[in-house]
Amino acid sequence: AQTVTQSQPEMSVQEAETVTLSCTYDTSESNYYLFWYKQPPSRQMILVIRQEAYKQQNATENRFSVNFQKAAKSFSLKISDSQLGDTAMYFCAFMKHSQGAQKLVFGQGTRLTINP
Amino acid sequence: DVKVTQSSRYLVKRTGEKVFLECVQDMDHENMFWYRQDPGLGLRLIYFSYDVKMKEKGDIPEGYSVSREKKERFSLILESASTNQTSMYLCASSFWNLLFFGSGTQLSVL
Repeated sequence: AQTVTQSQPEMSVQEAETVTLSCTYDTSESNYYLFWYKQPPSRQMILVIRQEAYKQQNATENRFSVNFQKAAKSFSLKISDSQLGDTAMYFCAFMKHSQGAQKLVFGQGTRLTINP
Repeated sequence: DVKVTQSSRYLVKRTGEKVFLECVQDMDHENMFWYRQDPGLGLRLIYFSYDVKMKEKGDIPEGYSVSREKKERFSLILESASTNQTSMYLCASSFWNLLFFGSGTQLSVL
């Protein structure tokens, strides 16, 4: 079974700073996907970024980028020039590449607060 | 835009009651999921369905059942609610490797 671990329950930074959220995972699969989801106070889960394991290049979406280290099974999220609207719970998630229903396995979450 | 709608945002029930949580998606997705979210535990998969009338247990199915009579609707049933089922429940549907979530139902069992 796959597991995902987020070791930082809470983080807090000042607006405009850069922050990195950590995530490690355990799997014997070679082909899979990794995700970061954001959950603001509205409770709506929002996909931040997605990485395909067979791609060596790290995914980037505007101010959000990942550091994907496949051998170390590490998938951290970097948020540059942080904004107040980035305040949210952030979940790292794993999905095995397979036929049929694609299930997500989530980490425990990191509560990120951006201070003005 | 994909829309996944959960019928209730907040729900308060009594111990022993039968509880139905409803979820509807409007994108003709085959796969649908029920997760529960608890502080410090993240989201854990209760049940999922990959077609009408087809279902599979997730990681924590005990105390729950599901129903999928129509493609767009996936219901989570608590046969006899207990206080340890107080939680946030999130429904999702998926297309390939993209999941789309509802806004959640915060269920309190007293």
